[in-house]
Amino acid sequence: GGIITQTPKFLIGQEGQKLTLKCQQNFNHDTMYWYRQDSGKGLRLIYYSITENDLQKGDLSEGYDASREKKSSFSLTVTSAQKNEMAVFLCASSINNQDTQYFGPGTRLLVL
Amino acid sequence: AQKVTQTQTSISVVEKTTVTMDCVYETRDSSYFLFWYKQTASGEIVFLIRQDSYKKENATVGHYSLNFQKPKSSIGLIITATQIEDSAVYFCAMREGDQGGRALIFGTGTTVSVSP
Repeated sequence: GGIITQTPKFLIGQEGQKLTLKCQQNFNHDTMYWYRQDSGKGLRLIYYSITENDLQKGDLSEGYDASREKKSSFSLTVTSAQKNEMAVFLCASSINNQDTQYFGPGTRLLVL
Repeated sequence: AQKVTQTQTSISVVEKTTVTMDCVYETRDSSYFLFWYKQTASGEIVFLIRQDSYKKENATVGHYSLNFQKPKSSIGLIITATQIEDSAVYFCAMREGDQGGRALIFGTGTTVSVSP
């Protein structure tokens, strides 16, 4: 078994601020993902990474940057936080890009 | 375009009974993968069960089973002998099987409430 850790658990930022969310996994999975979940809705893909130093844009990539520094970690940056933005950002990983995805506990973002 | 639809917003059942949730999907791929996830009150998302499109037999894991009706593009989730802790939001998701199919496409979820 393994675990996915996301930090911070809660993130409060100011409008226009650059904010970074971090994700670590010890499954030794190749592929990692960032999803956004808005209240009462399903998840939408922001970025994913097939391997270290690889980045692929999802449907929701505008306004975000990502970085896969090493196999076990995947960071997401909100380049300019939008006022009244509130969402949960979920990190996931899978053995490869074809397999079942497992999710972290999420980071809850609030922009004032 | 790929799409996943869950029309049931919420379902209430009594403990120890069976609950069935619907999910229909749209895809142009001949190969695809279907998943059900559970999101608990704490926000944790837990993988429950999957169905690969090329498999004819319905998947079963513990007290979760699937009703896969490929001609209808339908993948229902059945939970038997429900327990209070089965109260959660259940998401259906699909991933297409070709080279471009990386993302999970999620439905909007069905909230299940299990009462004593």
